[in-house]
Amino acid sequence: GENVEQHPSTLSVQEGDSAVIKCTYSDSASNYFPWYKQELGKRPQLIIDIRSNVGEKKDQRIAVTLNKTAKHFSLHITETQPEDSAVYFCAASGDSNYQLIWGAGTKLIIKP
Amino acid sequence: ETGVTQSPTHLIKTRGQQVTLRCSSQSGHNTVSWYQQALGQGPQFIFQYYREEENGRGNFPPRFSGLQFPNYSSELNVNALELDDSALYLCASSQSGQRHNEQFFGPGTRLTVL
Repeated sequence: GENVEQHPSTLSVQEGDSAVIKCTYSDSASNYFPWYKQELGKRPQLIIDIRSNVGEKKDQRIAVTLNKTAKHFSLHITETQPEDSAVYFCAASGDSNYQLIWGAGTKLIIKP
Repeated sequence: ETGVTQSPTHLIKTRGQQVTLRCSSQSGHNTVSWYQQALGQGPQFIFQYYREEENGRGNFPPRFSGLQFPNYSSELNVNALELDDSALYLCASSQSGQRHNEQFFGPGTRLTVL
């Protein structure tokens, strides 16, 4: 079955700097890769997603890149702000299996 | 359009008891997925229901079971509770066939097993 690995587990960046979180997946049939943000005690919120027919997608300060050959995808946050502090999860799923398989999460800390 | 709701918010049970958690899907969604999120970990897929039938199951024992009703709401039942079942249980709804992978989460039910 699918396995998703996520790195780093904790990331501390200065406010205004960029943050990058990386994930790898094992199942080449996976074709949908969402990123969720989860604040303490709250539900996961979808922040951006990418499908396997696209290599990059951007939404304001957030971008996701996908390398299908290498089976990895990354989240990029530019000009980080205090409200970006949260746990970020990557996930993967495919058409034949709608299960979302999640990474272990990255705790992003924005230092003032 | 209403979002995904779950009940109850919090629940305390003892070992060996049974529990039922409920989820109302977002308006227009026909698919509900259930996840278990232990403290400090990512959500683990339990199972998914589509049109009242189980449509995929993760690595959870049979004492985890579910239902989906004609209005697409869903229940998660856990029998013979164990201490390790203590977690946040999340349900997520989606619309199969239309960007079907996008899942929208409810606020979760925090289950504590003593």
